[in-house]
Amino acid sequence: TQLLEQSPQFLSIQEGENLTVYCNSSSVFSSLQWYRQEPGEGPVLLVTVVTGGEVKKLKRLTFQFGDARKDSSLHITAAQPGDTGLYLCAETSGSRLTFGEGTQLTVNP
Amino acid sequence: NAGVMQNPRHLVRRRGQEARLRCSPMKGHSHVYWYRQLPEEGLKFMVYLQKENIIDESGMPKERFSAEFPKEGPSILRIQQVVRGDSAAYFCASSPASGYEQYFGPGTRLTVT
Repeated sequence: TQLLEQSPQFLSIQEGENLTVYCNSSSVFSSLQWYRQEPGEGPVLLVTVVTGGEVKKLKRLTFQFGDARKDSSLHITAAQPGDTGLYLCAETSGSRLTFGEGTQLTVNP
Repeated sequence: NAGVMQNPRHLVRRRGQEARLRCSPMKGHSHVYWYRQLPEEGLKFMVYLQKENIIDESGMPKERFSAEFPKEGPSILRIQQVVRGDSAAYFCASSPASGYEQYFGPGTRLTVT
């Protein structure tokens, strides 16, 4: 089971700022998912990236998959308080998902 | 299309009692996964089931924990003789087939007193 490292662990910013969070592994990802989890709720799937170098956009969120498929980033433009939550990356290992520890993002109004 | 449903959302049990957590997958999904999120820890895989079959239970504690997904009805995660260390959020996810994207339910928060 490979280890997923997410950074930073905590991030607190003001509304309107941009931010980037990272997900890294020592091994090659087969595919990578990004989820967002709000307090008291389950993780919600944001995106799946599969191909090295892939870039996907979801409104103000931009997801990148590294060329070597060992790292990924999530960039949020003009963050809003509604973006507050725990951002998790997860890798498919056979039939299971292996999650990173997450980045806890707080966007202050 | 209804999402993954879990009940109860909150469950309180005294030490030594049994806890039963239920999960109904999304319509059209026949693969169910259970994960546990301990306080201050990440989500950890427990077990993967298809209808009437346990496919991978390598993440489940060897004692007191069991899971099933019968032909009819929801998947059940059963914890016997609960201890304080079992207090956690238990999440169920489903997918239409193995290797496909997994969609999570809202979780059951188990508190053992």
